[in-house]
Amino acid sequence: SQQGEEDPQALSIQEGENATMNCSYKTSINNLQWYRQNSGRGLVHLILIRSNEREKHSGRLRVTLDTSKKSSSLLITASRAADTASYFCATDPSGYSTLTFGKGTMLLVSP
Amino acid sequence: DTEVTQTPKHLVMGMTNKKSLKCEQHMGHRAMYWYKQKAKKPPELMFVYSYEKLSINESVPSRFSPECPNSSLLNLHLHALQPEDSALYLCASSPVGLAGEVEQFFGPGTRLTVL
Repeated sequence: SQQGEEDPQALSIQEGENATMNCSYKTSINNLQWYRQNSGRGLVHLILIRSNEREKHSGRLRVTLDTSKKSSSLLITASRAADTASYFCATDPSGYSTLTFGKGTMLLVSP
Repeated sequence: DTEVTQTPKHLVMGMTNKKSLKCEQHMGHRAMYWYKQKAKKPPELMFVYSYEKLSINESVPSRFSPECPNSSLLNLHLHALQPEDSALYLCASSPVGLAGEVEQFFGPGTRLTVL
């Protein structure tokens, strides 16, 4: 079953703009991860945020987590054409031993 | 070496064929995974191996048969598949640990088409 729901489903922006993607989940979690997938290829881990953290940064990425609203957001600043990809949140519902991926957001960054 | 390799990249097979997908990693990870991904959908977990033993089978049909011959290799044997099994099959590995605590490293996938 799918735990996370990302929105928007698709996002189209120009290079240099910021991109914000949201993820909502249903059950309590210990951690939330974000992954990127370039078209038809494997996923790449971007960042992990723990349930006791509210915000985390990695380069141009900023992730927030609001456990009271069961939601997370991924912000990519100063986007580049190379950021074009699908972005998935992944959660580990408490008591379950595997990751469950959300539906994903397809990001298109135009030059 | 932080790479997970998968072979073949593409595979076309008939419903009566038997084929195998291969996955290899040399990061010393003792957890390995098979995922199935349909177009424009998220990956769906199929199997998890931990220390070369099958630990999770997500109710996958028996026409998919996983095998972990050693700590670096993971195979997925395919037999009597259906056209709806056409998908991208992803292999991943990670250190053993709580699912949410560890980063999974993914291979590029095998694009499978069943005719």
